Amino acid sequence: AQSVTQPDIHITVSEGASLELRCNYSYGATPYLFWYVQSPGQGLQLLLKYFSGDTLVQGIKGFEAEFKRSQSSFNLRKPSVHWSDAAEYFCATYGNKLVFGAGTILRVKS
Amino acid sequence: DTGVSQDPRHKITKRGQNVTFRCDPISEHNRLYWYRQTLGQGPEFLTYFQNEAQLEKSRLLSDRFSAERPKGSFSTLEIQRTEQGDSAMYLCASSPTLEETQYFGPGTRLLVL
Repeated sequence: AQSVTQPDIHITVSEGASLELRCNYSYGATPYLFWYVQSPGQGLQLLLKYFSGDTLVQGIKGFEAEFKRSQSSFNLRKPSVHWSDAAEYFCATYGNKLVFGAGTILRVKS
Repeated sequence: DTGVSQDPRHKITKRGQNVTFRCDPISEHNRLYWYRQTLGQGPEFLTYFQNEAQLEKSRLLSDRFSAERPKGSFSTLEIQRTEQGDSAMYLCASSPTLEETQYFGPGTRLLVL
């Protein structure tokens, strides 16, 4: 069965610093992978997705993610974090339905 | 394109009451999904529709839950005899057929007292 693990429950970074959020997946075939962001009390917004091809995927708001099959990882990165990036981030995989990780809460300190 | 909409956004009810939530998907999206999200967790799949056909239901969807999509457009999720454990955010998403990307609505937050 598919599963997604986000090892970090909370991460705090300083504004302007770089960010990496970790995601590990378990899936037998080539996975479809997603990162969503959720602001408090809101629905989920798609940041980026990976289906195949180039393993470095660009998304909205300056985010990117890299698919590494050998590590079963799909980590999300941003070179310079803004205070407005504070939110909860979910990694997910798809196999006729989305299976989400537990999420990572990002705090940005000024 | 107005996005996925859900109504109501918030619902407070007493234990034992019935509640119904509505989801309007993006126009022409054939697939519609319901998820439940509890505090500190990622969303969990409940059920999905391809047009009006309900194709899969999670074991999370007890017999107190029922979902419909009668004309293949909007969908309703009803919870009968609500329990405090039903308190959660209920999220709806839609996608075109043969596309894996799902677009989410703002959710309905349910509080059962």
